[in-house]
Amino acid sequence: KNEVEQSPQNLTAQEGEFITINCSYSVGISALHWLQQHPGGGIVSLFMLSSGKKKHGRLIATINIQEKHSSLHITASHPRDSAVYICAVRVSGNTPLVFGKGTRLSVIA
Amino acid sequence: EPEVTQTPSHQVTQMGQEVILRCVPISNHLYFYWYRQILGQKVEFLVSFYNNEISEKSEIFDDQFSVERPDGSNFTLKIRSTKLEDSAMYFCASSDTGELFFGEGSRLTVL
Repeated sequence: KNEVEQSPQNLTAQEGEFITINCSYSVGISALHWLQQHPGGGIVSLFMLSSGKKKHGRLIATINIQEKHSSLHITASHPRDSAVYICAVRVSGNTPLVFGKGTRLSVIA
Repeated sequence: EPEVTQTPSHQVTQMGQEVILRCVPISNHLYFYWYRQILGQKVEFLVSFYNNEISEKSEIFDDQFSVERPDGSNFTLKIRSTKLEDSAMYFCASSDTGELFFGEGSRLTVL
């Protein structure tokens, strides 16, 4: 059974700071997802990655398959980035995601 | 941009009542999922659906739950006799190439 651990659980940052959220998992995977959950509860997919690095705007996601570890970075953070960021992994194909508990980020102006 | 839509956004029901949550996935997607999130907890998998049948289900998905695809577009989750512990946010998601698209969720409150 795959366990997904995220750190930190909660994070408060000043606007403009560089933010890193970490995710580790216990079993080999086919893909790792980073998701954003809005205060209202809706979930948006940010990245799906199986190797290397992806970038979208101010967001960067990296994964190290050998170390079973991924990081989500936010550059030049802004209050609108305040949300819960969730790491989730998939063992193979289109099997269901296994979710981490999420990291609650608050960015203060 | 195509999106997954869920209805209702919020439903309040009495314990023991039947509830149907509806989802319209993205039209060309083949894989559908229901997840739930109890307040303050992580998201949990309930059931996945492919080719008009259940492909995988979790321990949570017991006999009081059922899923259907009554027509070519809708995808429903039925809870036959709700319990207090069924209070949660229920998310529908669909996928074609592995990337998941989530609906905004249906918040179920059981009194």
